[in-house]
Amino acid sequence: AQSVSQHNHHVILSEAASLELGCNYSYGGTVNLFWYVQYPGQHLQLLLKYFSGDPLVKGIKGFEAEFIKSKFSFNLRKPSVQWSDTAEYFCAVGPGNNRKLIWGLGTSLAVNP
Amino acid sequence: DVKVTQSSRYLVKRTGEKVFLECVQDMDHENMFWYRQDPGLGLRLIYFSYDVKMKEKGDIPEGYSVSREKKERFSLILESASTNQTSMYLCASSPSVQPQHFGDGTRLSIL
Repeated sequence: AQSVSQHNHHVILSEAASLELGCNYSYGGTVNLFWYVQYPGQHLQLLLKYFSGDPLVKGIKGFEAEFIKSKFSFNLRKPSVQWSDTAEYFCAVGPGNNRKLIWGLGTSLAVNP
Repeated sequence: DVKVTQSSRYLVKRTGEKVFLECVQDMDHENMFWYRQDPGLGLRLIYFSYDVKMKEKGDIPEGYSVSREKKERFSLILESASTNQTSMYLCASSPSVQPQHFGDGTRLSIL
């Protein structure tokens, strides 16, 4: 069965620390890849997406993600986190032209000031 | 900007009641989705619709039904609410292929 695995369920960092959240998926064909963020009390919003082209994708608020096809991975990175990055982060994979997304369980990030 | 509007942010209902959750999107999107979000379980797809009057079951359709009479509106129905349906319900819409755009969610409590 197709699945998405987010390696870390809870991450705690201090401000200015670097962030990397892992995401791996199991699907052998063409995929579209997404990271969503959910700030406390807010709706899920798209952080960045990869459809094709440059495997290094830049999103909002200084986030970026790298698609490594050989590793079936799409890890999220940010060089220096801020307290305002405290949120839950979800990786999602859209196999081919499938209308549905397959979701990871999410990673809760807490950034201490 | 895409707007997905869910009718209620908070809702409290009693066991056995029939519950309607409404969702409206303003971007003429083909696809609409209902998820529930529970701590530690991520997002689980209940139903989705890819056209008016069309629907497909998601991963956890039991105890739920949906209605899509107009393209912009997608309703989730709990036929006879039970306490294990207490959850956060999220509606999303998308164009032909991803990404999905989400509403603010409805926190439903079944007493």
